[in-house]
Amino acid sequence: QKEVEQNSGPLSVPEGAIASLNCTYSDRGSQSFFWYRQYSGKSPELIMFIYSNGDKEDGRFTAQLNKASQYVSLLIRDSQPSDSATYLCAVSFRDDKIIFGKGTRLHILP
Amino acid sequence: KAGVTQTPRYLIKTRGQQVTLSCSPISGHRSVSWYQQTPGQGLQFLFEYFSETQRNKGNFPGRFSGRQFSNSRSEMNVSTLELGDSALYLCASSLGRKSSYEQYFGPGTRLTVT
Repeated sequence: QKEVEQNSGPLSVPEGAIASLNCTYSDRGSQSFFWYRQYSGKSPELIMFIYSNGDKEDGRFTAQLNKASQYVSLLIRDSQPSDSATYLCAVSFRDDKIIFGKGTRLHILP
Repeated sequence: KAGVTQTPRYLIKTRGQQVTLSCSPISGHRSVSWYQQTPGQGLQFLFEYFSETQRNKGNFPGRFSGRQFSNSRSEMNVSTLELGDSALYLCASSLGRKSSYEQYFGPGTRLTVT
């Protein structure tokens, strides 16, 4: 059973703080990991992808991957009200299917 | 470069009818995947097409089908619509190469079945 688990939230974070979003997955052989941001009424937008263990930084976003623990996270530094959205974690499994978690709702408090 | 386009954007159908949705991928992208998104189930994978061949399929009944044309444009069809088929249908395109699975979504088609 392929599973991607996320805390549904809402996660409330004060403006300017670091938001930390977490995701676990069931297949130890998974190779590719993605974070999407979805605003209400809009389609998902790819914001980060990571393939190797460790950290990957892009602007205010950092993706962290720990394959041994089957865990991927997204950090958002200096959170802004415009970061309020649902964040979807997606994982490609060994059969090349990409499975999405149900998402974490993030609310940045002004 | 133009993004993924989907038509129509909104659709209202009655139970028992069938519907066809269309997706045009980003230029140069050869893979098109379809997803169904509902509030309760989240984003669920329907199928993926690459070079006109179905490369992967999710756990949906046979009423859901798709195809891809030589220009990479894709259509999905749902026959004998049920109320539970009401959802946002999203198409995503990618280069489709192994180890390069970054997908870019279109705006979606909102299907309402009455």
